[in-house]
Amino acid sequence: GENVGLHLPTLSVQEGDNSIINCAYSNSASDYFIWYKQESGKGPQFIIDIRSNMDKRQGQRVTVLLNKTVKHLSLQIAATQPGDSAVYFCAEDSGSARQLTFGSGTQLTVLP
Amino acid sequence: NAGVTQTPKFQVLKTGQSMTLQCAQDMNHNSMYWYRQDPGMGLRLIYYSASEGTTDKGEVPNGYNVSRLNKREFSLRLESAAPSQTSVYFCASTGLQGPYEQYFGPGTRLTVT
Repeated sequence: GENVGLHLPTLSVQEGDNSIINCAYSNSASDYFIWYKQESGKGPQFIIDIRSNMDKRQGQRVTVLLNKTVKHLSLQIAATQPGDSAVYFCAEDSGSARQLTFGSGTQLTVLP
Repeated sequence: NAGVTQTPKFQVLKTGQSMTLQCAQDMNHNSMYWYRQDPGMGLRLIYYSASEGTTDKGEVPNGYNVSRLNKREFSLRLESAAPSQTSVYFCASTGLQGPYEQYFGPGTRLTVT
């Protein structure tokens, strides 16, 4: 099957800087994308989503960008804080029964 | 409102033993899912239940069975555990309408020796 993958497995940023986490997807028919945050020992937590008819969506300190031409998704976190340290997953809808296909994740570490 | 709950949190089994992982949600969601997460990897779908009374295989169903007991509860059973099933198991649920956002439980860490 087609997979969702990430460019960088680890990312370290200074506290206060902006973070950008990237994701490449291969299913051009995917209509819906989600970013999840997973802290150590916990289940994934929804951050933000975007539909394929949009190219940008903003939340609180987070922005998701979608480039369908190159099948690329990114998550931008503004003014990164220590509490942002976690693994971030992108996921895309699999087209049936509300299933999601998850990428392998990026570990974000915020340095003091 | 507890969201998605899972029991147990931790479990150690010997090869060949059986066990059932329990999951319950109190959000009146129609669809429920079981995933496994191995180190350094994303979540892989084991089984899902699109609605009460239905279950379907996901990406990695071998060695597992599921039961959608009612709208709230969805259990995952390992009939004869194998070391390859050592993993962290997550249950999730989502509603029938609106976005695909899935709500996840805290996970069960299973070790098979």
